[in-house]
Amino acid sequence: DAKTTQPPSMDCAEGRAANLPCNHSTISGNEYVYWYRQIHSQGPQYIIHGLKNNETNEMASLIITEDRKSSTLILPHATLRDTAVYYCIVRALQGAQKLVFGQGTRLTINP
Amino acid sequence: GAVVSQHPSWVICKSGTSVKIECRSLDFQATTMFWYRQFPKQSLMLMATSNEGSKATYEQGVEKDKFLINHASLTLSTLTVTSAHPEDSSFYICSAGDRGLVQPQHFGDGTRLSIL
Repeated sequence: DAKTTQPPSMDCAEGRAANLPCNHSTISGNEYVYWYRQIHSQGPQYIIHGLKNNETNEMASLIITEDRKSSTLILPHATLRDTAVYYCIVRALQGAQKLVFGQGTRLTINP
Repeated sequence: GAVVSQHPSWVICKSGTSVKIECRSLDFQATTMFWYRQFPKQSLMLMATSNEGSKATYEQGVEKDKFLINHASLTLSTLTVTSAHPEDSSFYICSAGDRGLVQPQHFGDGTRLSIL
């Protein structure tokens, strides 16, 4: 079973920042938080991951709370092409590398 | 960046046919690849973990004789859906990881299988 909880859907206006929350209250000390997204009829695309520090790359920023029980993915200037299902996944550093997907958040960017 | 190629991208077959799907890591070696299945409006469900040079590990409820996995090299894993039936129609997706444990997995673009 997935160890994360996300809202099923969100809307955001084009050009605004999209903030996608994720709860992972049972996360273990050796587990990373990963974010992927899936645009319709394509394979998932890696966005970002982190352990405890905030992370930023060319696609997004990841803010992880100090207790690591939740995180927020931020798309700073959402475009229509960011419409997708966003998955937040926790995965242990050691052991099996498999990713267990929850239901994700369906993000719709509106013009 | 690292790329995973999946082939074919879509296939339509008659019931009873066996279908093979290939997953290749193009610029890195993957000792482990993963196979997922996704039904419409649902999330990805892990079917099995493909290990190079050894038997695949199947998730609970997935028939190993139905879904044959072969991972004969560090860059290729295949999934064969044997004697496919309409209920096997789905979107099949593979992924592969770099050797480093922290590196994210890279996904193929999926294969849409339709069994008539």
